[in-house]
This record gives sequence, C-alpha cells and structure tokens, in this order.
Amino acid sequence: TQLLEQSPQFLSIQEGENLTVYCNSSSVFSSLQWYRQEPGEGPVLLVTVVTGGEVKKLKRLTFQFGDARKDSSLHITAAQPGDTGLYLCAVGSNNAGNMLTFGGGTRLMVKP
Amino acid sequence: NAGVMQNPRHLVRRRGQEARLRCSPMKGHSHVYWYRQLPEEGLKFMVYLQKENIIDESGMPKERFSAEFPKEGPSILRIQQVVRGDSAAYFCASSPVTDYGYTFGSGTRLTVV
Repeated sequence: TQLLEQSPQFLSIQEGENLTVYCNSSSVFSSLQWYRQEPGEGPVLLVTVVTGGEVKKLKRLTFQFGDARKDSSLHITAAQPGDTGLYLCAVGSNNAGNMLTFGGGTRLMVKP
Repeated sequence: NAGVMQNPRHLVRRRGQEARLRCSPMKGHSHVYWYRQLPEEGLKFMVYLQKENIIDESGMPKERFSAEFPKEGPSILRIQQVVRGDSAAYFCASSPVTDYGYTFGSGTRLTVV
C-alpha cells in the first residue's frame, strides 16, 4: 500500500472541461505539495498547503488540503491543452532533509 | 540564475558499463537530492547530500550505486556494472534549506542495452 494514493491514474478530457484529481492517505501530514511534470522534464512545484482546510488558487487551478490533513484535491477549471502532464502530490519526511514521498500521479491529457 | 543543471540528458550504456550522472544545484543551494523514476512508477527518493557529506542514502541500492557532492564541482551519481533494470529517469533536486520547496533538474534518462 502506497503512502499516497492518487486518483484517477489517467484522465483524458476535452479542452474547456473541468476536472478534479485526488491525493489520499490514512496518515496525517504537516504539509503537502503538488507538482506537475511534463514529458521529458522534471517536476515543477505548483503549491504547498500546510493548514487543514486550506484552499489555494493558482489561476485556473484550485488546491485544497483536507480538514484532517490526510488528503488533498486539485481542481482545474476550463482545462487547456497546456495543462497536459503528470500531476504528483508529495509529502516530506519528518527527519532531517525533508525527503519527499510521491504519490503515483495522475496523468492528464487535455485534447483540443 | 540558472536552474538545476543535469547532464547528460540522455545516456546509453551497455550492461556491465559504468554510468556517471552529474548535477549542478542552483546557485546558493547546498542541499542536493537524487530521485529515480522507473517506467510507469512514481518518483522514489535515493539519496540526500550536503557539501562533502552524505546525509541520508536510505533509498539507494546498497550495491553498485554511490553518490558524492564534493566541495568543488557537481554532485555525481555513479552506477557501476549497470543492468537493464537500472534504465530509468534520474532526477536531481536542490534547495537552499531543508524546509523549503525543491527545484528539480530536467533529469538524465539512462538506457541500458
């Protein structure tokens, strides 16, 4: 069982549609990060959420951290082909170094 | 301010050869992390280094893999006697302090033939 379960694994939608992807765990976290990885590139940090119930917006992307700090969601409004990529959630370890544990990711394809 | 620089971008090695992957962190970043992304799998932590020190190598295979971050020069991930199962994308990330977001490089894609 993975520490972070992401769903769905794959999502293919048309340009203009809305979507939500999820990152779930049975563990409680002090913070959680979302990354986007495009083909052939490294992950790029989108946001860090730290407070239970927190909502952060980044243009058409809305990130929410669950009240119990065990889960998070990413909602994209009016998806565009440029949103295509692998969306990864990640949490840091509690020891020195804050190494990240990643979820398996949601692979999103937005068709024009 | 250049980002995290990894080279080479692509590396092909025959089974049994050595692979050397280089990572130059962002200017001012003294913490370096290596991650591996196997085909159809997520990113997995391998090793965390500071200048001249390995802090945590709990994610790195005990045999054939080693990492260093010398006082001068890039961090190096070295894989000896590569096998087909080592084929993966290897990413380096750096940060100025530990409790901060990472910046990842574009990765080195290793193919073992």
